[in-house]
Amino acid sequence: AQSVTQLDSHVSVSEGTPVLLRCNYSSSYSPSLFWYVQHPNKGLQLLLKYTSAATLVKGINGFEAEFKKSETSFHLTKPSAHMSDAAEYFCVVSDRRGQNFVFGPGTRLSVLP
Amino acid sequence: DTAVSQTPKYLVTQMGNDKSIKCEQNLGHDTMYWYKQDSKKFLKIMFSYNNKELIINETVPNRFSPKSPDKAHLNLHINSLELGDSAVYFCASSQRLGREAFFGQGTRLTVV
Repeated sequence: AQSVTQLDSHVSVSEGTPVLLRCNYSSSYSPSLFWYVQHPNKGLQLLLKYTSAATLVKGINGFEAEFKKSETSFHLTKPSAHMSDAAEYFCVVSDRRGQNFVFGPGTRLSVLP
Repeated sequence: DTAVSQTPKYLVTQMGNDKSIKCEQNLGHDTMYWYKQDSKKFLKIMFSYNNKELIINETVPNRFSPKSPDKAHLNLHINSLELGDSAVYFCASSQRLGREAFFGQGTRLTVV
């Protein structure tokens, strides 16, 4: 069975400083991993995905994530935060058969001016 | 051109009523899902259909019944609504099992 841990329920950064949102996963199979963003009162938008190709994955809006199998991690980073990045971020793990698509509890990102 | 659309966006209803939420995707995907997001933002899968066949049915009260008339539609019918059913319900679709899912805008259900 898969599971996802997002170590921080809330992260606050200043505009222009780096963002790090942490995600650790547990999977019995080779996982696919995703990051989604949810802006207030909006649906979920895919930021990026890892599906066994390059371990460093680039996504939209300047975000990227690195798959580290030895650490079972898939942390999300961005070099410079923008006010519009303030949202809820979800890390998701899926096994390759797709029988299960499991969300982490989410991390709320606040960006201070 | 909305890829995954669900209606209505907001639904306020009294306890005991029966209601439906509709979902349509125009992406040509084989797999569709219903998720429930609670007040703490936690998302949990409820159902998954692949080619109109039910493949995931999590521990959900049998008052909830999904219906997939064709691959492009997955509707959610809820009988005898309870206060605890209040949540945001998201429909999603993916090209096939295990691929990234595309989400609708959500339906905020409030049971009073």
